[in-house]
Amino acid sequence: GAGVSQSPRYKVAKRGQDVALRCDPISGHVSLFWYQQALGQGPEFLTYFQNEAQLDKSGLPSDRFFAERPEGSVSTLKIQRTQQEDSAVYLCASSLVGGRREGEQFFGPGTRLTVL
Amino acid sequence: GESVGLHLPTLSVQEGDNSIINCAYSNSASDYFIWYKQESGKGPQFIIDIRSNMDKRQGQRVTVLLNKTVKHLSLQIAATQPGDSAVYFCAENGGGGGFKTIFGAGTRLFVKA
Repeated sequence: GAGVSQSPRYKVAKRGQDVALRCDPISGHVSLFWYQQALGQGPEFLTYFQNEAQLDKSGLPSDRFFAERPEGSVSTLKIQRTQQEDSAVYLCASSLVGGRREGEQFFGPGTRLTVL
Repeated sequence: GESVGLHLPTLSVQEGDNSIINCAYSNSASDYFIWYKQESGKGPQFIIDIRSNMDKRQGQRVTVLLNKTVKHLSLQIAATQPGDSAVYFCAENGGGGGFKTIFGAGTRLFVKA
């Protein structure tokens, strides 16, 4: 009965390093979302997967951000050449149903990324 | 552009009182709205949702009201408890063809015992 899990919970990177953030959604959930949440702000949408297909990546801020979900379950968000403005909490959420723009999203605890 | 915002960044209420958290949205094409609760160090947790063909929906101790005429959303919490202390976000689906959920900046609710 595990919920959405994310690892690592905390990541400190030096500017210019590459990082990889992992999300384990609830088993059987079709939809998977990534969000970026800056301190004191609401989550900002990054990208959406329906199974292994990335159907919406309109929120990715630059080509340094890349996400994948190759087998339709675990997802990885990769950030290349990290910059200080990438410091934020990265949230992953999953939803049972795909192909709809509504429905409850179950969020993980997030990964707090700090870029020095 | 699209935006979902909140009128009050912080709200302090006495335990047992009712709380009302307000939200304004600007995208008239949005047809689905959600309220989330976020406690410190945790991800947002779904509270209640409402579709645009409704103006009111009730859950356990919570009620969401939608006024499409003025593009306003509110969350009412009855008999507020200390465990209700958190940041509350309204969110919308933007009404477009994508899968983006647009969150507001949030309101922090403090419940005084």
